[in-house]
Amino acid sequence: QKEVEQNSGPLSVPEGAIASLNCTYSDRVSQSFFWYRQYSGKSPELIMSIYSNGDKEDGRFTAQLNKASQYVSLLIRDSQPSDSATYLCAVNPEWGYNKLIFGAGTRLAVHP
Amino acid sequence: ETGVTQSPTHLIKTRGQQVTLRCSSQSGHNTVSWYQQALGQGPQFIFQYYREEENGRGNFPPRFSGLQFPNYSSELNVNALELDDSALYLCASSSSSGGASEQYFGPGTRLTVT
Repeated sequence: QKEVEQNSGPLSVPEGAIASLNCTYSDRVSQSFFWYRQYSGKSPELIMSIYSNGDKEDGRFTAQLNKASQYVSLLIRDSQPSDSATYLCAVNPEWGYNKLIFGAGTRLAVHP
Repeated sequence: ETGVTQSPTHLIKTRGQQVTLRCSSQSGHNTVSWYQQALGQGPQFIFQYYREEENGRGNFPPRFSGLQFPNYSSELNVNALELDDSALYLCASSSSSGGASEQYFGPGTRLTVT
């Protein structure tokens, strides 16, 4: 079983809509969670980090964490064509050790 | 504030050769992690360096080795290159080795092994 799972997509949404990206993880003791955006041919760029159950908002982005369900999601409001990229979910299973386990990513396509 | 930098940008090597990749951490960051990203996959953790010592290693063979220098910059060395080593190699720096610390990636080095 993969440790971090994401739907590979592509997830296609119209401009202005809400894009919802989901991620599940297998290690129940995981403590910190991150979303990265990666444009084709570029390196991952950190969007959000979340550590506690609930929602965390930053501009058009909202990260949601449910540790009981081992589920983390990213909502992108008012999606723009410039949001078209691969979104990587990353999980750090240990507090004292900074090793990220990544999912394979979900490709998002925002069409005008 | 200077971000994470990596060199070279691209590299072509022959199977069996050795390669050294370099990374300079973001200003104020003391921890460097290296990742390998194959096409269509998420990055895979190779190892992390903190205070010039290896602080954790992923599932990579010993021919992958590294160094961290007093200025927190780092090198990744790969010996006896194999075709499967062709990938994007990413360096990420963070302000601590703790699990909550955010990691920021450099632009990566694209390695092609022929």
